[in-house]
Amino acid sequence: GAVVSQHPSWVICKSGTSVKIECRSLDFQATTMFWYRQFPKQSLMLMATSNEGSKATYEQGVEKDKFLINHASLTLSTLTVTSAHPEDSSFYICSARYRVGYTFGSGTRLTVV
Amino acid sequence: SQQGEEDPQALSIQEGENATMNCSYKTSINNLQWYRQNSGRGLVHLILIRSNEREKHSGRLRVTLDTSKKSSSLLITASRAADTASYFCATDAVTSGSRLTFGEGTQLTVNP
Repeated sequence: GAVVSQHPSWVICKSGTSVKIECRSLDFQATTMFWYRQFPKQSLMLMATSNEGSKATYEQGVEKDKFLINHASLTLSTLTVTSAHPEDSSFYICSARYRVGYTFGSGTRLTVV
Repeated sequence: SQQGEEDPQALSIQEGENATMNCSYKTSINNLQWYRQNSGRGLVHLILIRSNEREKHSGRLRVTLDTSKKSSSLLITASRAADTASYFCATDAVTSGSRLTFGEGTQLTVNP
């Protein structure tokens, strides 16, 4: 089946630094990828939709200058959390549409200290 | 905003019992999907039911969909300790542009 590989699985960074999270579709081409954020014991909240070769579409309330999304190829989308702060600590998950369903990355646990 | 609401928020049962989780949504959908998430991990797709379907089975899973009530249920029969996880419904709404909206989730604990 379709697999989305997400890296890193966890990262600890200092406040003020930037962190990049990668999602790769391994055996299919993902024209569109979705980025979610999940706080402990809560559901997934869609942050943005990334489209290959064009600008990402951000959900209301998500700062596009803080969460930079790049989808430069059909198999790679990246999310960069810029100038991270402790409140950005969360679980970030990417997803790609595959046929009529969706496949998800394994998630990245970001801790900002 | 989250469109789906799930109940119960938490469910604790004994191995061998059945577990039923419910999901309600607000807008017209193309399909509704159920996912499982083990603690701190990604999501695993369980089953997808289209808007013109009423019931679907997959192994020990049974999903129903009532579009008139805008609700769905997930039944796990003969539960096992390994079924312990969070379960989320997600709707692919007609106007969503392929974006999924997730319910709040049900934390299922199956005690051995």
